Amino acid sequence: QVQLVQSGAEVKKPGASVKVSCKASGYTFTSYDINWVRQATGQGLEWMGWMNPNSGNTGYAQKFQGRVTMTRNTSISTAYMELSSLRSEDTAVYYCAREEFDPWGQGTLVTVSS
Amino acid sequence: SYELTQPSSVSVSPGQTARITCSGDVLAKKYARWFQQKPGQAPVLVIYKDSERPSGIPERFSGSSSGTTVTLTISGAQVEDEADYYCYSAADNNRVFGGGTKLTVL
Repeated sequence: QVQLVQSGAEVKKPGASVKVSCKASGYTFTSYDINWVRQATGQGLEWMGWMNPNSGNTGYAQKFQGRVTMTRNTSISTAYMELSSLRSEDTAVYYCAREEFDPWGQGTLVTVSS
Repeated sequence: SYELTQPSSVSVSPGQTARITCSGDVLAKKYARWFQQKPGQAPVLVIYKDSERPSGIPERFSGSSSGTTVTLTISGAQVEDEADYYCYSAADNNRVFGGGTKLTVL
């Protein structure tokens, strides 16, 4: 079955960077875009951007421009989302989701704390 | 950028019909999707293209569209349908979720 499995929880200090991975299985990785979405505790869903695994093309939400980088390694069917210059407000669960937001990964908790 | 507006909460008794609305100018031109999210879980797609239901989603979930408003309807809501529901749409390079609606079934 189609599945996205994300990397484990991270704890980072303010100013650091975090890189979350999303490994795809059950379909041809390069045939569907990957979206990244985050959710702070008790808050709603916030779209961060998308990446085309075939071309590597990306599109980022304006809020994250300059701070987020989405990449991939097609040989291992894995997408990555790196967020830099972390601040406490970036503490959230980060999700990857296949092109039509079906399915989603299980989520990765990123905690930013000094 | 654009916005999608949802009520913060909706409450129904088991067996009643729950309706959750989502409003935004972009909905007059673009399809909407609906997601269900239960506590501690990732969201699940329940409606796409305004009214299409993915395989495995119960028939009691349906969607409709009129102008700048889309509606998620749960006919005969069950206790297990209690969750947060989010609408979503996309235009150009912008994709946005509604603020979410907490559905209480009790």
